[in-house]
Order: sequence, then structure tokens, then C-alpha cells
Amino acid sequence: ETGVTQTPRHLVMGMTNKKSLKCEQHLGHNAMYWYKQSAKKPLELMFVYNFKEQTENNSVPSRFSPECPNSSHLFLHLHTLQPEDSALYLCASSQVLAGDADTQYFGPGTRLTVL
Amino acid sequence: GQNIDQPTEMTATEGAIVQINCTYQTSGFNGLFWYQQHAGEAPTFLSYNVLDGLEEKGRFSSFLSRSKGYSYLLLKELQMKDSASYLCAVMDSNYQLIWGAGTKLIIKP
Repeated sequence: ETGVTQTPRHLVMGMTNKKSLKCEQHLGHNAMYWYKQSAKKPLELMFVYNFKEQTENNSVPSRFSPECPNSSHLFLHLHTLQPEDSALYLCASSQVLAGDADTQYFGPGTRLTVL
Repeated sequence: GQNIDQPTEMTATEGAIVQINCTYQTSGFNGLFWYQQHAGEAPTFLSYNVLDGLEEKGRFSSFLSRSKGYSYLLLKELQMKDSASYLCAVMDSNYQLIWGAGTKLIIKP
């Protein structure tokens, strides 16, 4: 148990569906991250939030839409996804973002399958 | 471009020692992390090196040489539960983590 929870753990959706992934951290951290993990590939950073403000968007398609209502919660809204979006989506948090090499703590991930 | 290289897969025997190497080329350096990830689970933090040398933490040790762009993770007295993927990540000058693809470690009895 890392103090970061994610729901759902598994999700199967069609290309026309709309769904949301949820992440919650109980560590009192200020920064939260969304990563995509595909088989045998490095983790891909998608979005970064620091004190609820988005600070990074690494050229992610608009069919992925993040939301960070407060420092403890992070959502990833999904719509009109493609089969190649099937992957493990990991949420992480850290104490501070800039000026320090803080450790990131990860949730267990949501295994997403797009049919 | 930025690049992290580590072997795709390694096999070792229970009770033995294994060394997982990681080489990197990044824009700046603010430390190197090792994470362990069991199948279907969250990556969990193992170690952080920012200065050259060896950091020991129980059965696990991590080494860094900044001049060579090289690190290794050393696992001693291997146990079956050590079967997992080991991820190497470097924090660049923008404090962004650059990740390797991970090394899958298989432990055999």
C-alpha cells in the first residue's frame, strides 16, 4: 500500500464510450501525475499537476482530459479512444515539483482495454 | 535525445546475486531512481542516487557513476519474491523523470 489509490483497477470500453479514471493520494503531497505504461516501453508522462495547476502536457491527444479539483484527487476523462490507447494508466504523487528531486509514489494503475 | 538503456530480461537463481545495469544520456542530471514493479502492481521506490558511489539498503544496493552515465542495482541473497520488473529513471535538468523500459528479473529455484 503506497498511499495512492486508483479506481477502477480494470476497464474495458468501446471507442465511442466516455469513462473516467480516478486517483486519490493520502500522503499530503502537492504534485500529481498521470503516466501511460505499455508493454516493454518506458513509462510515458502524460500530465503533471502542481498545487492543482497543470504544469505539463506532453503532447497528449485531446481525447484524454485531466482534472485536478484539489491536491488529493486527480481524474483522467476518456472519450472516443482508440485501440492503441489500451495500456496501464498509472497515477503518482510527490511532495513538491520544482527544485528538488522528490520521490514519486505510484498507485496500482488502471488496466484499460479499448475495443 | 534522452535515453535510458537497461536489459530487457535477466534470469538468476534463488540465493544468488544479480546486477542490473542502467546507462543513461540525459539533458542534465538531478539523480537516478530505481523502482520495483511486480506484475499488475504499482512501481515501488527502491533507491535514489545523486552522488557517485554505492548506497546499501539491506539486500539491495545501488551504484552510480555520473562521469560514465552508469548505474547498477545489486540484489543479494535472491528470493522468489524478487521476481519483478526493475525500472531505472533519471531526473533531468527540468526535474522530469526519464524512464527506462524496465528489466524483467526471473528467479528460478
